[in-house]
Amino acid sequence: AQTVTQSQPEMSVQEAETVTLSCTYDTSESNYYLFWYKQPPSRQMILVIRQEAYKQQNATENRFSVNFQKAAKSFSLKISDSQLGDTAMYFCAFMKPTGTASKLTFGTGTRLQVTL
Amino acid sequence: DGGITQSPKYLFRKEGQNVTLSCEQNLNHDAMYWYRQDPGQGLRLIYYSQIVNDFQKGDIAEGYSVSREKKESFPLTVTSAQKNPTAFYLCASKPYRDPGELFFGEGSRLTVL
Repeated sequence: AQTVTQSQPEMSVQEAETVTLSCTYDTSESNYYLFWYKQPPSRQMILVIRQEAYKQQNATENRFSVNFQKAAKSFSLKISDSQLGDTAMYFCAFMKPTGTASKLTFGTGTRLQVTL
Repeated sequence: DGGITQSPKYLFRKEGQNVTLSCEQNLNHDAMYWYRQDPGQGLRLIYYSQIVNDFQKGDIAEGYSVSREKKESFPLTVTSAQKNPTAFYLCASKPYRDPGELFFGEGSRLTVL
C-alpha cells in the first residue's frame, strides 16, 4: 500500500515571500501521479498542481511549482510571492493509475497561514 | 455549469439513526468516490465506484453503505453501526482517463448528537 507523509502540520509565511511545503511518499510502483490540493476555509478541494512520475521536468503553474525527486520519493510544493488567498490546508496526494477508478491516497495536510 | 453537488451541507442526527448524504455530478464522469475528513488525519477513502451498479470498499468502509443506480448519483448512507460518524464528508468524481484529477463537491458536515 502507498503512504503519503506531510511532516509539517502548520506553516506560516509573510505576504510576498516564498514558502516550501514538504511531502514524501512510499511506493514500489514506477508509474504514478502526484498532486497538491488546496482546501481553503470554504473547504472546497481545489487542484493546485499535478506531476506525472515519468516526466523528469518539474511541473509549474504560475506561482506554484514542485520539486519532484523520484529517487528520494519526495514531492515538495513551492509557493512564490505568497498571497493572503493562499491561506489554506494543503494536501499532497498519490495516485497509482489503474484505469477509471484510480484511487487517491492523501497525506495529513499542512495548514499554511499567510500573514501581512 | 458542470460540477458536483453535495447535500445537505450540514446535518445533525441522533445516535442510532441512519442518515443518507447525497452526491450528484453532471460532469459525465465514470468514477465517483466518498472520502471522510477528520482533523489531523487527512482524507480517507470510504467507498468508490467505477461504473453503474458496481462499487468497492475503500480503507474505512465499516458502518457505511453506498449505491450507484445512476451514473450521476452516488449516495452514501451512514448507518448506526458507524461508531464515530461525526466528520466532514467529501464526494468526488473523476473522468475515465488517467491521470484525470478528482473533482470535489463542497462537502457535508455530519454531527451526531
